[in-house]
Amino acid sequence: QKEVEQNSGPLSVPEGAIASLNCTYSDRGSQSFFWYRQYSGKSPELIMFIYSNGDKEDGRFTAQLNKASQYVSLLIRDSQPSDSATYLCAVPSTTSGTYKYIFGTGTRLKVLA
Amino acid sequence: ETGVTQTPRHLVMGMTNKKSLKCEQHLGHNAMYWYKQSAKKPLELMFVYSLEERVENNSVPSRFSPECPNSSHLFLHLHTLQPEDSALYLCASSQDARTGGLVQYFGPGTRLTVT
Repeated sequence: QKEVEQNSGPLSVPEGAIASLNCTYSDRGSQSFFWYRQYSGKSPELIMFIYSNGDKEDGRFTAQLNKASQYVSLLIRDSQPSDSATYLCAVPSTTSGTYKYIFGTGTRLKVLA
Repeated sequence: ETGVTQTPRHLVMGMTNKKSLKCEQHLGHNAMYWYKQSAKKPLELMFVYSLEERVENNSVPSRFSPECPNSSHLFLHLHTLQPEDSALYLCASSQDARTGGLVQYFGPGTRLTVT
């Protein structure tokens, strides 16, 4: 059973701080990794994706990938109350040539004003 | 959110009713998906369609019946549901389902309550 694990939180950080969200995965063959943000009562929306080891930055967001240790993280700099949401880690996995996305349970982030 | 639309947004149905959820994507994608999201659980993939052909069925009970008449439309027909089927049902699309690393775009979801 291929799995994606996240700490459910809530992770509380003060406004302006760095929020660090972590995700571990079990499939060593995974090549791409996605972070989605989901506000309460809304659908998931893509924040970032990363394919290569190392860091990928997009504005206040940085995704970090370490394939050897099988974890991917998302850093949010200068956290704002509007960043308060659940962050989902997703890892595509293939079965019989069809890719399906394995999602973690998500980490709930609360940014305190 | 406007790339993938879902109707209705909210649905309350009795266990003996029959209803259908509709999804439409305006992104020119070839793959569409149904997910179930229950509280405290990860998103659960229910069905995957690639070019209108069902390519994945994650052992979903037969009371859920999908239909994909073309690459832009996806339906989920519901009948004889149970209270534990109450959840948020999300539709998603991607360019295709046979290439890894492709982004999925989600619709707003249908909040289903079974009474």
